[in-house]
Amino acid sequence: DGGITQSPKYLFRKEGQNVTLSCEQNLNHDAMYWYRQDPGQGLRLIYYSQIVNDFQKGDIAEGYSVSREKKESFPLTVTSAQKNPTAFYLCASSKRDEAGKLFFGSGTQLSVL
Amino acid sequence: AQKITQTQPGMFVQEKEAVTLDCTYDTSDPSYGLFWYKQPSSGEMIFLIYQGSYDQQNATEGRYSLNFQKARKSANLVISASQLGDSAMYFCAMREGPNYGGSQGNLIFGKGTKLSVKP
Repeated sequence: DGGITQSPKYLFRKEGQNVTLSCEQNLNHDAMYWYRQDPGQGLRLIYYSQIVNDFQKGDIAEGYSVSREKKESFPLTVTSAQKNPTAFYLCASSKRDEAGKLFFGSGTQLSVL
Repeated sequence: AQKITQTQPGMFVQEKEAVTLDCTYDTSDPSYGLFWYKQPSSGEMIFLIYQGSYDQQNATEGRYSLNFQKARKSANLVISASQLGDSAMYFCAMREGPNYGGSQGNLIFGKGTKLSVKP
């Protein structure tokens, strides 16, 4: 079945450590996104990519980095510069001409040790 | 100012009854899209329905319909014949700009409404 796979489901980060969240899709979608969700809040856009080897910052990109070397993959690295990383992270994808109609993964809960 | 406002933090509805979840939006862009997503306790966000700013008729998808009142800048979600599986968080979201190109990824989300369906 086509879909988006995020891993791991739970992740713990130590002080000063970089961690990478995985996102893979087999929907053949051009666009991929990373959102952050804090308790009681809506989603906020971290980064998005409309094509391989290209990506743009969203509203809260500071302390995060991404890469898009393959159409299917869009990993997110939470760097040590992100001082408040505890949140639920959701990856999504969409067709190029259906902006906003997103297909989401099941998310990664990141916590700080 | 918030661009998407959902004023109901929580709602209860009896099984088999209809329920309306409120959403108001704020934009000066003539071209925009409005979306509703459902987030069950599992965490995954599920697309429900879409309304374009130039669409003349209200969008419908099965038991979901979007009550689009452009002049009032409201895009309420109506769920008919509620089921226990409808219990979830519901998020209203907006895309400013056309449906292609540009910053298509930048959906603006409201804070959500938690719907609980009672048996």
